[in-house]
Amino acid sequence: NAGVTQTPKFRVLKTGQSMTLLCAQDMNHEYMYWYRQDPGMGLRLIHYSVGEGTTAKGEVPDGYNVSRLKKQNFLLGLESAAPSQTSVYFCASSAPLNRGDTQYFGPGTRLTVL
Amino acid sequence: AQSVTQLDSQVPVFEEAPVELRCNYSSSVSVYLFWYVQYPNQGLQLLLKYLSGSTLVKGINGFEAEFNKSQTSFHLRKPSVHISATAEYFCAVSDRNTGNQFYFGTGTSLTVIP
Repeated sequence: NAGVTQTPKFRVLKTGQSMTLLCAQDMNHEYMYWYRQDPGMGLRLIHYSVGEGTTAKGEVPDGYNVSRLKKQNFLLGLESAAPSQTSVYFCASSAPLNRGDTQYFGPGTRLTVL
Repeated sequence: AQSVTQLDSQVPVFEEAPVELRCNYSSSVSVYLFWYVQYPNQGLQLLLKYLSGSTLVKGINGFEAEFNKSQTSFHLRKPSVHISATAEYFCAVSDRNTGNQFYFGTGTSLTVIP
């Protein structure tokens, strides 16, 4: 049982390049999330999904796109990377939150945009 | 939307001393409350959660937290800390009825001094 995995663990991009971060979970969770973590700002929600084929914007969605084509995967895309997107990105998954379930986090992806 | 305030961004404490990390949330609607811990270069792990019932909740590693509805607080405590408790701690809230996302505080960095 791997839980939540993220690929890649580290990445360095140049301004304007694109990339996709992959999140996979093997817990059959309905809900999946993408956060970014910056010093002094805690975790900020970028996008989330409450089921296969659905996505919704979080607190800081600009510059990112997501897709949830399969229940176990949640992809985060940066179409044209900017230095402001240098951050640590965390994926999480959970059962529906109105049951009081917790979120399970991946180990993170450290992205640097030069 | 909820907001979560962690009043102390950094808390230094000597080993074997007691510690309290403070958390307040904004809304009086029914909520679930969580504390997570993040060790360096890792994802977040659940410490404890409050769903209902007794307002004193016990978690892993000897931590406990008390839910105070009137003060909308959920402070985390440990009677005696070990150096291994050095980490970042996050308080989080989800709405019982409509929740499809968590709201995180900005984190408290706990440093245990030998």
